Amino acid sequence: KAGVTQTPRYLIKTRGQQVTLSCSPISGHRSVSWYQQTPGQGLQFLFEYFSETQRNKGNFPGRFSGRQFSNSRSEMNVSTLELGDSALYLCASSLGVIPDTQYFGPGTRLTVL
Amino acid sequence: AQSVTQLGSHVSVSEGALVLLRCNYSSSVPPYLFWYVQYPNQGLQLLLKYTSAATLVKGINGFEAEFKKSETSFHLTKPSAHMSDAAEYFCAVSPNTGNQFYFGTGTSLTVIP
Repeated sequence: KAGVTQTPRYLIKTRGQQVTLSCSPISGHRSVSWYQQTPGQGLQFLFEYFSETQRNKGNFPGRFSGRQFSNSRSEMNVSTLELGDSALYLCASSLGVIPDTQYFGPGTRLTVL
Repeated sequence: AQSVTQLGSHVSVSEGALVLLRCNYSSSVPPYLFWYVQYPNQGLQLLLKYTSAATLVKGINGFEAEFKKSETSFHLTKPSAHMSDAAEYFCAVSPNTGNQFYFGTGTSLTVIP
């Protein structure tokens, strides 16, 4: 089976712009979770989608949003980018049972200038 | 609330020596526990997981971890370090009420030839 894929792998944006990141889960996986990884804060949970519905949400501002499509692919959107949003954004997929093993993609490196 | 503490943000061992990476969790009920490894500019790869079956869990690349409820610990070990083991290691806990992971701050392992 193909692993979790994320596109694009690298992004450079300027403050105030918005950005959309994409994640394709492992075939058959219905849950997609997003994490932000920074040197200062480590790995932080953003949100989880299961069957096109947000099932869990971390403590991030409303500028961070996501959605999931019927084929389980997920997108994450960040509006009004701030310098502090520079990070590696990781997507993880799982079957969706609770709890479950999560399989991670390679990440999207976002740089905000 | 769930939390994970990894003691030692940097660990150095000689090639062939024992690797011991420490992880303690805080949870009101025994959770599911995981160890992931991250190589530079890559996503997280699952090393092993504890899911309330055997307390000694064997993973990939010769790693193993032992769940000790009395000590709320899940330390990662490998009898003999190899140069290729140099990476960042993350301990994570998943509560049995949701599918989000709580990660430790990571331990960077250096293997000295």
